[in-house]
Amino acid sequence: EPEVTQTPSHQVTQMGQEVILRCVPISNHLYFYWYRQILGQKVEFLVSFYNNEISEKSEIFDDQFSVERPDGSNFTLKIRSTKLEDSAMYFCASQGPGKDGYEQYFGPGTRLTVT
Amino acid sequence: AQTVTQSQPEMSVQEAETVTLSCTYDTSENNYYLFWYKQPPSRQMILVIRQEAYKQQNATENRFSVNFQKAAKSFSLKISDSQLGDTAMYFCAFMRDNAGNMLTFGGGTRLMVKP
Repeated sequence: EPEVTQTPSHQVTQMGQEVILRCVPISNHLYFYWYRQILGQKVEFLVSFYNNEISEKSEIFDDQFSVERPDGSNFTLKIRSTKLEDSAMYFCASQGPGKDGYEQYFGPGTRLTVT
Repeated sequence: AQTVTQSQPEMSVQEAETVTLSCTYDTSENNYYLFWYKQPPSRQMILVIRQEAYKQQNATENRFSVNFQKAAKSFSLKISDSQLGDTAMYFCAFMRDNAGNMLTFGGGTRLMVKP
């Protein structure tokens, strides 16, 4: 069964450094998302992406964040200058066409630790 | 804006018994989807069950069923014949109609199944 993959599984970085989190969505899917979950808290929406542009973003997704689909398969989230409060689990999700087009499939997540 | 509330931070149930997790939501939309996701200690987000708001019939998936009360904006999850592997965080989530819309999650309920 097709699945969403994410790399790395765990990233440790120093405050102020740039990080890029990578996701490979399911191949025929059209909509892509990033969510984050701070430890012990609920999952929060960051951004959605469709047709090579951002379709919606939350107030969390400020100028320090950017997304890109550079090659038609990868979907990346970049944080330019990480802060301690960026430490969280980051989930990528994708959503396809067809009768199950409303279901979002989640990747296993990347745990980001900012020290 | 939509909100999703899970009023039970923690619950426990004996193996083989039945447990019900509560979820309420607030929206002005008429067409939408509701989901229950399971998050085991691995922190992977696993879709358990979904409900389309336009369907009156409650969704069922094996031991999992929902009680969807649209007028009351309530969407509870019933787990029958609880198994040790059901131990996890459970998140209720809302999505406006159509693909490309974000998921809004509740705060989660931690379920412990006791042997």
